[in-house]
Amino acid sequence: GAVVSQHPSWVICKSGTSVKIECRSLDFQATTMFWYRQFPKQSLMLMATSNEGSKATYEQGVEKDKFLINHASLTLSTLTVTSAHPEDSSFYICSAIPGPSNSPLHFGNGTRLTVT
Amino acid sequence: DAKTTQPPSMDCAEGRAANLPCNHSTISGNEYVYWYRQIHSQGPQYIIHGLKNNETNEMASLIITEDRKSSTLILPHATLRDTAVYYCIVRVTGSARQLTFGSGTQLTVLP
Repeated sequence: GAVVSQHPSWVICKSGTSVKIECRSLDFQATTMFWYRQFPKQSLMLMATSNEGSKATYEQGVEKDKFLINHASLTLSTLTVTSAHPEDSSFYICSAIPGPSNSPLHFGNGTRLTVT
Repeated sequence: DAKTTQPPSMDCAEGRAANLPCNHSTISGNEYVYWYRQIHSQGPQYIIHGLKNNETNEMASLIITEDRKSSTLILPHATLRDTAVYYCIVRVTGSARQLTFGSGTQLTVLP
């Protein structure tokens, strides 16, 4: 089946530093990938849509200069949390569609970010 | 995308069938019903999806009412590892669109 791999699975960083999270589609090409964020005891919230070869589309309230998204190839999208603060601590999850546009999304296993 | 309504929590005895309901009374004709689950601290896992016919795969069965306003996910023999939050989502076909997650149902399988 379609596999989406995320790295790292967890990361601890100091306030003010930047963290990069990678999302790879291992056995398919993904023109579009989605980045979600999930706070404790809450549901997933879409942050942005990552499009290969073009700029990402951000949801309302998500700062594009803080959450930098790069989708330079059909198998890799990266999310960089810049100048991280403790309130950015969250569970970040990527997903991709491995086929026709009405195929189910497949998700990575998420990245737990803790900013101290 | 149409909004869905699910009970916040359910319990099920191990080995018994777990029946998880979902209401999507405003669903449109071109919207599929998708089910995902999320085990604690993991990414969501795709379970099954359907348009109007009942569907079955190795994980579960999906029963969609004839008017498509509600559906039920059935896990035929629940195990402790099925304890998770289950999300019912409706999504328009024909476009590479994201999934919008609601609150889901916390299913707890009891020994």
